[in-house]
Amino acid sequence: GAGVSQSPRYKVAKRGQDVALRCDPISGHVSLFWYQQALGQGPEFLTYFQNEAQLDKSGLPSDRFFAERPEGSVSTLKIQRTQQEDSAVYLCASSLGPLAGGETQYFGPGTRLLVL
Amino acid sequence: GNSVTQMEGPVTLSEEAFLTINCTYTATGYPSLFWYVQYPGEGLQLLLKATKADDKGSNKGFEATYRKETTSFHLEKGSVQVSDSAVYFCALRLHGSGNTGKLIFGQGTTLQVKP
Repeated sequence: GAGVSQSPRYKVAKRGQDVALRCDPISGHVSLFWYQQALGQGPEFLTYFQNEAQLDKSGLPSDRFFAERPEGSVSTLKIQRTQQEDSAVYLCASSLGPLAGGETQYFGPGTRLLVL
Repeated sequence: GNSVTQMEGPVTLSEEAFLTINCTYTATGYPSLFWYVQYPGEGLQLLLKATKADDKGSNKGFEATYRKETTSFHLEKGSVQVSDSAVYFCALRLHGSGNTGKLIFGQGTTLQVKP
C-alpha cells in the first residue's frame, strides 16, 4: 500500500517568506508526527497529532511554526517569516496510534527546505 | 533528560567485515528502543526494535539486544555488504501517561562499506 508522502520534496524560500509543507499519512493512521532534521543530525520532534487533536507541540522552536490536521488525515506544517536557521529536512511520520498498539512510526521522504 | 548517544562516524568497513555501531541511552522509565536506517536518497526506515530488557531485535542480518544494565542497544551484523552503506539512527520511545510516543534520536552514524 501507499506509504507516507510529503510535498514539496524541495523548497527554496527567501528569508521572510512563508512556507507550507504537506504530509499525507498512511490511510487509517491515527498518530502523526513532525520532525526537523538539521544537516548531519538526527531528527528532532516538533509536534504530534492524534486524529485532528494536536496533543503535543512542545518541540516547535518558535511561534513562527504552526501545524494543523483539521480532518484527522492530511497535515500541514507552516513556517512564517522563514529564517536561515529554519533550513533543514522536515519529516512526517504516522503510526496506527496508541489504542491499536501501533508504536512503529513510518516516515515520509521529507521536505528539504533551504532558506536563502 | 532523555537522550540517545551514538558512536561517531563515518564507519568504513570492507565487505564481509563485522559491524558494531554503539548506542547508549538515558531515559526515565523503560523505553522502547529502535534502529532506523536511511539509505541514500530515501526516507527513514525501521530496521529493528526491542520493547523490553533482554529483548533482541533482528532484521536483514542485523541484531541489537536491549541491555538495561548498561543502558545500551548496540547494532551488530556479522558480514556487511556494500548495499548496507547508509546512515543508521538509534532512537528511543518513552511510555506511560504524558508521553505521546515521540521518538528521541541519536545523531546518526554513517556506514560506508567498500567492495
